[in-house]
This record gives sequence, structure tokens and C-alpha cells, in this order.
Amino acid sequence: GAVVSQHPSRVICKSGTSVKIECRSLDFQATTMFWYRQFPKKSLMLMATSNEGSKATYEQGVEKDKFLINHASLTLSTLTVTSAHPEDSSFYICSVAPGARGNEQFFGPGTRLTVL
Amino acid sequence: DQQVKQNSPSLSVQEGRISILNCDYTNSMFDYFLWYKKYPAEGPTFLISISSIKDKNEDGRFTVFLNKSAKHLSLHIVPSQPGDSAVYFCAASLSGNTPLVFGKGTRLSVIA
Repeated sequence: GAVVSQHPSRVICKSGTSVKIECRSLDFQATTMFWYRQFPKKSLMLMATSNEGSKATYEQGVEKDKFLINHASLTLSTLTVTSAHPEDSSFYICSVAPGARGNEQFFGPGTRLTVL
Repeated sequence: DQQVKQNSPSLSVQEGRISILNCDYTNSMFDYFLWYKKYPAEGPTFLISISSIKDKNEDGRFTVFLNKSAKHLSLHIVPSQPGDSAVYFCAASLSGNTPLVFGKGTRLSVIA
């Protein structure tokens, strides 16, 4: 499967600051990446679909001005949480879908964001 | 409205026995189903998948069964090992490169 990395793995920030999370597809050129978030003991919820060279597609209820997504290259998508608040504290995970075998998606290791 | 449901939040199984994790879905348009394993503070790891045109797919100790008429799938792990202890997520998708819809997960504990 595809190898996906995320950076940073963990970040703690003060309320009101912005945090950038990087998602890299290391062995596959991904025109599409997906961003999910997971609250404690909850399922993974799709936030947005990141499209290389065009605007991201956001799920209902996800503020596009708060969660900025940039997919500038085929191997890198970034998620910026702007003006972070404690309720944004969550586990953020990205994935790629090589498409070689059905709809398997391969996930990054995740980023734990804690907003104080 | 949750389209993919895992009604058992947890399951305990003795080592060597069979683990059966269940998943139900409501959207009949789903045509691809996947199981992921997840450890705390890590991303999900793909385990096994099944297309809607099949009713069974096997890979080593893992077998996924699909019952389309009942909109139900299950993951069988046999024999279960302590290293299988994790949270297992069922996921479904429509055809093409579309996002996954996840269930809430089932925490499997395999007891030695």
C-alpha cells in the first residue's frame, strides 16, 4: 500500500494561534487526499477532500475558512487550523487512495492537536 | 443518520478462539467495504476489503463476509492473537475515488 506521513505528530498550542499540519504521500502521486478527524471514542469523520491544483471540497458543517486546505503538489497536502480553540483539539488524520485495488485508502499516522 | 453502524463497542475473546466483528450499513449504493485496525494515537491500518460483487474474501487469518440483502458484513479473525487487540473500524464507500464512511469502531481485546 501507499506510505503516508504526517507532520507534526503532536502539537500543543495556545488558543487563537494557527497550526499547520502536513500530509505527504511518500511513494504515490496523489491527486486526491482526504482529511479526517477523530474525537475520543468516536469514529473518523471526513472533514474535506483535498484536490491537487484546485479547491478542497468540504463536508457539511466544516468551516472552510477555519480549516484551510492547500494541495499544492501531488505529494503534499496541508491543513491549517486557524485561530484554534480548545474545541478544535482532536486527532487529525489524512489519507490517500491509490486506486490500484478498489477503494482502499492508506492513512497517515495522525496528528494530535491540543489547544490550551 | 449513521450510514455505517458497529453496534458492539467492545468484544473480548480468548486467545486462539475466533473473533467476529459485525457491521451494518444503510446505504444500498455502497459497493466497497473495508476493515481497518487502529491503535491509539496512530492512523488506521488497512486490513481487508470486499467488493459488493463478492460475498467472501479471505486473507490469512482474516475473512470478511458480506450479506448484501441484509446490508451486513462481518470480519472473522481466527485464531485470535493478543496482538490483534485494537479498535476495528468498518468502512464503506461508493464506486470510484470517494471518501470512506466509517462506523464507530469495536474495541477487540484478545485475552491470553
